[in-house]
Amino acid sequence: DGGITQSPKYLFRKEGQNVTLSCEQNLNHDAMYWYRQDPGQGLRLIYYSQIVNDFQKGDIAEGYSVSREKKESFPLTVTSAQKNPTAFYLCASSIGGITGELFFGEGSRLTVL
Amino acid sequence: KQEVTQIPAALSVPEGENLVLNCSFTDSAIYNLQWFRQDPGKGLTSLLLIQSSQREQTSGRLNASLDKSSGRSTLYIAASQPGDSATYLCAVDSGTYKYIFGTGTRLKVLA
Repeated sequence: DGGITQSPKYLFRKEGQNVTLSCEQNLNHDAMYWYRQDPGQGLRLIYYSQIVNDFQKGDIAEGYSVSREKKESFPLTVTSAQKNPTAFYLCASSIGGITGELFFGEGSRLTVL
Repeated sequence: KQEVTQIPAALSVPEGENLVLNCSFTDSAIYNLQWFRQDPGKGLTSLLLIQSSQREQTSGRLNASLDKSSGRSTLYIAASQPGDSATYLCAVDSGTYKYIFGTGTRLKVLA
């Protein structure tokens, strides 16, 4: 089955630690995205990548980093510089271009203790 | 700057009722508008994608319309069922890879 796999589903972090969220897709999509979802707010774009070895900051990139070494993979690192990291993180992909339908993974919930 | 609004924030209806969810956007220069469903604690499931040249799309009991000139889209759900209970989100793509999301309408269909 084609789709987007995010792991882990739940993650707990102590303050000051970096954590990495995994996102893998087998849809052969060029574009991949990371969103953050907080209660009562719409999804906010953290980073996106249109193609391998290239990525751009979204609206709330501070305290986050990404890499895109393979077409299938777009991991997100939440660094200790992120002041309020507790949130639900969603990875998405699209075929790219102006007709791109977005597809999402099941999400990862990060809680900072 | 594109802004997307969904009203109402929450809606409860009895089973079997037909209903309409609304999505408004401020900049009519869009490429796509997409409707999603989100169950609690889950990711988003794509329901319908309307490209800018289209007026509507249909899938089963769902029908989505798009009026770019007025900055509005509606999602029509026919003969609602308890299984339709979820949060429905719309997102607008202005061609910059930066999809802008509304905050959603939380729907509860009562049996």
